[in-house]
Amino acid sequence: DAGITQSPRHKVTETGTPVTLRCHQTENHRYMYWYRQDPGHGLRLIHYSYGVKDTDKGEVSDGYSVSRSKTEDFLLTLESATSSQTSVYFCAISGRGPPYEQYFGPGTRLTVT
Amino acid sequence: QQQVKQSPQSLIVQKGGISIINCAYENTAFDYFPWYQQFPGKGPALLIAIRPDVSEKKEGRFTISFNKSAKQFSLHIMDSQPGDSATYFCAARRSSNTGKLIFGQGTTLQVKP
Repeated sequence: DAGITQSPRHKVTETGTPVTLRCHQTENHRYMYWYRQDPGHGLRLIHYSYGVKDTDKGEVSDGYSVSRSKTEDFLLTLESATSSQTSVYFCAISGRGPPYEQYFGPGTRLTVT
Repeated sequence: QQQVKQSPQSLIVQKGGISIINCAYENTAFDYFPWYQQFPGKGPALLIAIRPDVSEKKEGRFTISFNKSAKQFSLHIMDSQPGDSATYFCAARRSSNTGKLIFGQGTTLQVKP
């Protein structure tokens, strides 16, 4: 998985609780991304980062926040989890230079009850 | 304009046959078109990619055909094998260095022995 780890790999939480997912890379890549995967929707971009402390929204960012204080770590936070955020979350990193190929981590399965 | 439409949703092919998955896009600013392969419980893995200045790219049994005027591209898997059974996603990226990908909805391929 291209030097990308995600933690936890599985989590069950209750509606209204905060949740933080972690993505860690050992490749020193500049770009990092969070996607969610749901049946019939493919993968949809939540947030991405183009450097330490530099982040921007993707197409489905409502209810999510991110932080990147170090090159290797990109955190995704659900401030108050809802059942609609039950999904599989993937982190990706982008390779150095064009064509900036993306490589994905193993995913985190999150269930909000 | 940002959508990538993928078909079929599912596909069953006999071993040795040809699997064909199609994608269509609207945004002419897209300049990079990767295909990802995903096995159950794993993250998507980059399979093959193409730029719009070529009409075909082949890597082993996998070929991308690209029709710029029709804004369509397709993945052909020759001599399909049971080990190719997976979910396949096409994607597209606008010309930028942030690497943000727009994914198709996915195709679940089953290759029968």
